[in-house]
Amino acid sequence: EPEVTQTPSHQVTQMGQEVILRCVPISNHLYFYWYRQILGQKVEFLVSFYNNEISEKSEIFDDQFSVERPDGSNFTLKIRSTKLEDSAMYFCATVGADTQYFGPGTRLTVL
Amino acid sequence: DAKTTQPTSMDCAEGRAANLPCNHSTISGNEYVYWYRQIHSQGPQYIIHGLKNNETNEMASLIITEDRKSSTLILPHATLRDTAVYYCIVRVPGDYGQNFVFGPGTRLSVLP
Repeated sequence: EPEVTQTPSHQVTQMGQEVILRCVPISNHLYFYWYRQILGQKVEFLVSFYNNEISEKSEIFDDQFSVERPDGSNFTLKIRSTKLEDSAMYFCATVGADTQYFGPGTRLTVL
Repeated sequence: DAKTTQPTSMDCAEGRAANLPCNHSTISGNEYVYWYRQIHSQGPQYIIHGLKNNETNEMASLIITEDRKSSTLILPHATLRDTAVYYCIVRVPGDYGQNFVFGPGTRLSVLP
């Protein structure tokens, strides 16, 4: 069964550094999403992406965040200058057959 | 905010049916009920979804009341591996720009 994959599984970074989280969507899926989950809290929507542009974004997704699909396969989330409060699990999701399929997540730890 | 309410936690004995309720009294006519679960900090896993008819797949059954204001997810023979947080979400399918809104869910503990 096709799966969404994400790399790395765990990223440790220093505050103020840039990080790029990568996702490989299920092939032939066209809509992509990023969510985050701070430890012990709810899964929160960040951004949706279609046809090489952002469809919708939450208020969490400020100017420090950006998304792109650089090579037609990977879907990336960049955090320009990480803050301590960016520490969380980040999940990529894609849509197929009216259902969202989530990747295993990247655990981001900001020190 | 999530448009659903669920109990915070539930216990179930291994091998027994787990019945997880969800209230969605403000559901719109074109919104479906989706169920996902999350084991530890893994990515949410799709379980089942439906509009108004009862649905069954290899994982679970979904019972939606006639007025569609509530539903129940049934795991017919719960195992220890079904211990997870279960999320009930209402959403219009096919509206691909619309994200899923997760509430706190129900933490199901399957006990040996």
